[in-house]
Amino acid sequence: AQSVTQLGSHVSVSEGALVLLRCNYSSSVPPYLFWYVQYPNQGLQLLLKYTSAATLVKGINGFEAEFKKSETSFHLTKPSAHMSDAAEYFCAVSATGTASKLTFGTGTRLQVTL
Amino acid sequence: EAQVTQNPRYLITVTGKKLTVTCSQNMNHEYMSWYRQDPGLGLRQIYYSMNVEVTDKGDVPEGYKVSRKEKRNFPLILESPSPNQTSLYFCASSLNPSGGIYNEQFFGPGTRLTVL
Repeated sequence: AQSVTQLGSHVSVSEGALVLLRCNYSSSVPPYLFWYVQYPNQGLQLLLKYTSAATLVKGINGFEAEFKKSETSFHLTKPSAHMSDAAEYFCAVSATGTASKLTFGTGTRLQVTL
Repeated sequence: EAQVTQNPRYLITVTGKKLTVTCSQNMNHEYMSWYRQDPGLGLRQIYYSMNVEVTDKGDVPEGYKVSRKEKRNFPLILESPSPNQTSLYFCASSLNPSGGIYNEQFFGPGTRLTVL
């Protein structure tokens, strides 16, 4: 069984501030982990993924995430928020070997203020 | 352009009136899946298909049917829609469903369904 918990359904940051979106996972086998972004009225777009290579993963738009097995976490960060980062972000987990079965978290809506 | 398309994008219907939401991908992907997105619940998988004529239930299959007669198409059928099926629906596809190698899922733009 696999699951994902995203802490904080809404996060607000000022433009230029650090973005930190939290994700903790549970998986009975080594996981694949993902962050997806959903802009208003659009589908989901893959931001980055962890597939058992480097634990620090860099994605698009300046985002990165670090896989920490000891903490079962995969938090998403960006050093400096931009207004265009306002969106909903979903963390997802997939068990290795069943790579296409994705289990999503409940999402975190990021608001960026001036 | 490689993409997943869904039709219609918006649909308002009444309880009990059968409807079909189409999904098509032009990437020759083997795996296709349907999700519903509800506030506070994230995305939940309804059905998935590993290949033509191979479908299986996801986490919330009740009230839905699917078919996979061709590789590119994976329609979602609501035989007798009810108000609790009001939701945002996403179709997704990926190249290869297994083998220990992850293949990215590509998502369609979504279909917003309202059942009155």
